[in-house]
Amino acid sequence: TQLLEQSPQFLSIQEGENLTVYCNSSSVFSSLQWYRQEPGEGPVLLVTVVTGGEVKKLKRLTFQFGDARKDSSLHITAAQPGDTGLYLCAGWTSGTYKYIFGTGTRLKVLA
Amino acid sequence: GAGVSQSPSNKVTEKGKDVELRCDPISGHTALYWYRQSLGQGLEFLIYFQGNSAPDKSGLPSDRFSAERTGGSVSTLTIQRTQQEDSAVYLCASGINLRPYNEQFFGPGTRLTVL
Repeated sequence: TQLLEQSPQFLSIQEGENLTVYCNSSSVFSSLQWYRQEPGEGPVLLVTVVTGGEVKKLKRLTFQFGDARKDSSLHITAAQPGDTGLYLCAGWTSGTYKYIFGTGTRLKVLA
Repeated sequence: GAGVSQSPSNKVTEKGKDVELRCDPISGHTALYWYRQSLGQGLEFLIYFQGNSAPDKSGLPSDRFSAERTGGSVSTLTIQRTQQEDSAVYLCASGINLRPYNEQFFGPGTRLTVL
């Protein structure tokens, strides 16, 4: 079974702190997406990483794709309460028509 | 423009009844996806349509679940003889499926409660 494991599962931090969320798999992915989901809504795409070793920045968010394309990380600098939400990585499994989501990281940023 | 819409937004049903959930994708999106999200859980992939065809139906949880898409647009997810464990939020997404980018736009979901 191709799984995407995220860590940590829960994270509660103070405004202004930095944090990193990890997404790991034993399988190779052609690309990985990161989403954020807020209560009562569907996930919203943040970024797609495609190339091994790729780093993408979206304001205070930095996304990295592992060299072997089996893992990814999301780093948030100077977190704000508006960053609160469920962060999910996701990707297509190799050789199938299934798109799987990671186990999720629930972030709460306290003012 | 209009996003992905789903109906109903909430559905409460009795165990054993059939339910039909509807998804209206963004116009022009050829790919359509169904997911299930149980309380506090991540998203579980159910099925993917490219046009009207679903290449792999093995993600559906049981043979009580079926999905179809007609005219390359609207899709329905049908659950027969509902069970309490079917209670969840059912999310639909659509996209153009230009791999590897595969951007998906999600609807607000249908919250299904089976009593």
